[in-house]
Amino acid sequence: DAKTTQPTSMDCAEGRAANLPCNHSTISGNEYVYWYRQIHSQGPQYIIHGLKNNETNEMASLIITEDRKSSTLILPHATLRDTAVYYCIGGKEYGNKLVFGAGTILRVKS
Amino acid sequence: DAGVIQSPRHEVTEMGQEVTLRCKPISGHNSLFWYRQTMMRGLELLIYFNNNVPIDDSGMPEDRFSAKMPNASFSTLKIQPSEPRDSAVYFCASSPTGTEPTGELFFGEGSRLTVL
Repeated sequence: DAKTTQPTSMDCAEGRAANLPCNHSTISGNEYVYWYRQIHSQGPQYIIHGLKNNETNEMASLIITEDRKSSTLILPHATLRDTAVYYCIGGKEYGNKLVFGAGTILRVKS
Repeated sequence: DAGVIQSPRHEVTEMGQEVTLRCKPISGHNSLFWYRQTMMRGLELLIYFNNNVPIDDSGMPEDRFSAKMPNASFSTLKIQPSEPRDSAVYFCASSPTGTEPTGELFFGEGSRLTVL
């Protein structure tokens, strides 16, 4: 599984876009980039995943660089409820043996 | 739809006692995962099953830990005997696999274990 590197913490103003970076320079060709988040004392929640192309769903957008060595998760209009730990993970699409790192603590402030 | 259901939500026990944590995955999901979370070590994958068969148990810390999945709708994680260092939140997750996988793990709310 690919090793990922994320900043320890970030702050974002409420209503602004939150851009969370992730480096995954060792990701292999068939590994996807997954993003999860964990709100305090809850189980992790899936956000989005992608392989090569940029992806968007109702929660977020995922921008993956052409060389696939890094990606950015974008929460377009952050709210206080988006305060959480965000995990970027490299993994297969099947089996999904996902190994969670330390993640990024995102604090959304009013 | 019901999500992943774990029980108990909280467990306080004394060192040496047996602890059994239970998980009911989402109906139709083929894969089931047990994770443990502590402040020191973060989220650790303990074991995962596919179609009720254990695929990878390399994360199980030692022989005191065992996990079973007797059928597609039930799994247990047992610790015998328990030790204070086993105190953690234990999460169960399930995932669909097949012709249209989403790559998504659905986590339960966790079982918070405290061993005194």
